[in-house]
Amino acid sequence: KNEVEQSPQNLTAQEGEFITINCSYSVGISALHWLQQHPGGGIVSLFMLSSGKKKHGRLIATINIQEKHSSLHITASHPRDSAVYICAVSSTGNQFYFGTGTSLTVIP
Amino acid sequence: DTGVSQNPRHKITKRGQNVTFRCDPISEHNRLYWYRQTLGQGPEFLTYFQNEAQLEKSRLLSDRFSAERPKGSFSTLEIQRTEQGDSAMYLCASSGGAGGSTDTQYFGPGTRLTVL
Repeated sequence: KNEVEQSPQNLTAQEGEFITINCSYSVGISALHWLQQHPGGGIVSLFMLSSGKKKHGRLIATINIQEKHSSLHITASHPRDSAVYICAVSSTGNQFYFGTGTSLTVIP
Repeated sequence: DTGVSQNPRHKITKRGQNVTFRCDPISEHNRLYWYRQTLGQGPEFLTYFQNEAQLEKSRLLSDRFSAERPKGSFSTLEIQRTEQGDSAMYLCASSGGAGGSTDTQYFGPGTRLTVL
């Protein structure tokens, strides 16, 4: 069993739709990261959070420490949001675990 | 450009050869991380440094892999006697500040290794 599980694995949405990507983890963490990876392979860090909620533009990330669960929301989705979104955790044991990613395609 | 840089961007080698990759982190960052990503998978943690000290190594890092950060700035990752299973994207990231593992990591563009 992976330490970090994401769902769904693949997601196709129409432009303008509200999108939710889920992440569950099984280890104790010091922080959870949401990353965005574009087809060329470059990775960009979107959020790092250890509690509560963060918002940046149309992106919102939430985390529930008790339930070991985080969600990434995209409001008013746009084709340029098409990418792979990866959930990663920094464990309290100083290890880093990654989910396998959610491939998002937003259709105009 | 003051981001994380990696060289080379692509490397093709024959099985059994040694390869070395370089990562230059953001200059004021004291933490540097190496990850490996195979096609269709999320990244896997390999190792990280705080300044010149290698603090953590994944069990994935076999004895054919060695990483150094001699002066606490750039880092090298060497793979000896490469195998076809080593073919992957090797990613470097850096972070700074007092938050340690909770700091935001900034990723380099990666080095894609193909072992023939």
